[in-house]
Amino acid sequence: GQNIDQPTEMTATEGAIVQINCTYQTSGFNGLFWYQQHAGEAPTFLSYNVLDGLEEKGRFSSFLSRSKGYSYLLLKELQMKDSASYLCAVRGRPGGDNQGGKLIFGQGTELSVKP
Amino acid sequence: GAGVSQSPSNKVTEKGKDVELRCDPISGHTALYWYRQSLGQGLEFLIYFQGNSAPDKSGLPSDRFSAERTGGSVSTLTIQRTQQEDSAVYLCASSLTGLAGSSTDTQYFGPGTRLTVL
Repeated sequence: GQNIDQPTEMTATEGAIVQINCTYQTSGFNGLFWYQQHAGEAPTFLSYNVLDGLEEKGRFSSFLSRSKGYSYLLLKELQMKDSASYLCAVRGRPGGDNQGGKLIFGQGTELSVKP
Repeated sequence: GAGVSQSPSNKVTEKGKDVELRCDPISGHTALYWYRQSLGQGLEFLIYFQGNSAPDKSGLPSDRFSAERTGGSVSTLTIQRTQQEDSAVYLCASSLTGLAGSSTDTQYFGPGTRLTVL
């Protein structure tokens, strides 16, 4: 089967660093995505990893270990506006029942940033 | 427009009625996806379009759900004889190619339609 796990909720303090973990078990792998979703709004793309290692983009970084089926999203210098749900999604290997690169999502991690 | 748009933003209907949800993808994107987000659940894939054809309908939960896409652009998701368990946010996404083998192909989401079935 396919399974994406991430913590349901996290709380952090403004200015701090927070790491949101995601573990996955999927039939094939062709990339892992992180999205940010504010309440009532569209998920917005944050990062993409397909090879092992760290991808850095400003205050946000994302890490992938394919052998461990593990990723994390690192948010630095937290701001109040970072309070949102963070979605981890995996794209399976093309072919078979995955002709179009559909994404399999975790349930999302609700991050609350406190002053 | 610059992004994916969806209409209506909110829809309240009575059990047993039919509803139509609309999605306008980003101009030039050949791939279009529908997902559903139920309370406390992750996004759940429904259907994928490449142009006007739907090679992957594996996520449609029942034959009450159908979708079409015309002109390689606008898509409509139709739910017949709605049930209370259909209440959810229906999200549409589009991407440039939709090719799972294209590692950089990113899906961009619309704001969703919140469907409430009374």
